[in-house]
Amino acid sequence: KAGVTQTPRYLIKTRGQQVTLSCSPISGHRSVSWYQQTPGQGLQFLFEYFSETQRNKGNFPGRFSGRQFSNSRSEMNVSTLELGDSALYLCASSLGTGTYNSPLHFGNGTRLTVT
Amino acid sequence: KNQVEQSPQSLIILEGKNCTLQCNYTVSPFSNLRWYKQDTGRGPVSLTIMTFSENTKSNGRYTATLDADTKQSSLHITASQLSDSASYICVPSSGGYNKLIFGAGTRLAVHP
Repeated sequence: KAGVTQTPRYLIKTRGQQVTLSCSPISGHRSVSWYQQTPGQGLQFLFEYFSETQRNKGNFPGRFSGRQFSNSRSEMNVSTLELGDSALYLCASSLGTGTYNSPLHFGNGTRLTVT
Repeated sequence: KNQVEQSPQSLIILEGKNCTLQCNYTVSPFSNLRWYKQDTGRGPVSLTIMTFSENTKSNGRYTATLDADTKQSSLHITASQLSDSASYICVPSSGGYNKLIFGAGTRLAVHP
């Protein structure tokens, strides 16, 4: 089975721009969650989608948004980029939103640099 | 406040040696505790998941222990290999994915 695929791997954007990141989950996985990883804050939860619905949201401003398509693929959008948004953005998939004792399968992330 | 502390922050060991990484947490209510391995520039990979009723769980040369009473967990690596060089992240949870509390990780370097 193919793993979680995130595209692109690297992005360089300018302050004020917006960016869209993509995540394709493992086949059969219906839950996709997104995380931000920075050296100072570690991994932080952004949001989770299941069956095209946002189920949970972390403590991030409204500039961070996402969506999930009927094939479970997900996109994350960040508008009005700030320097502090520079981070590794990870997506993870799992079987379902209720299976909290099952492992998360992470992609290798998108490294976003905001200049 | 839900918190997790991992120690040591970093560790250097020689290939073939054993090591133990520690994790103390204050998460309530407690649902499960995960250990992840993250290679530089890659996403985390799940090593173990333990619920409150499990004391120990192994995955090859990795053995995790959990003491839900003292809110402590450890990850023991046996006969280390160069490929074990990575960050190891402890993640206690009180339920859903929005309740995962990620530790800062222990950075392990295995030298030949």
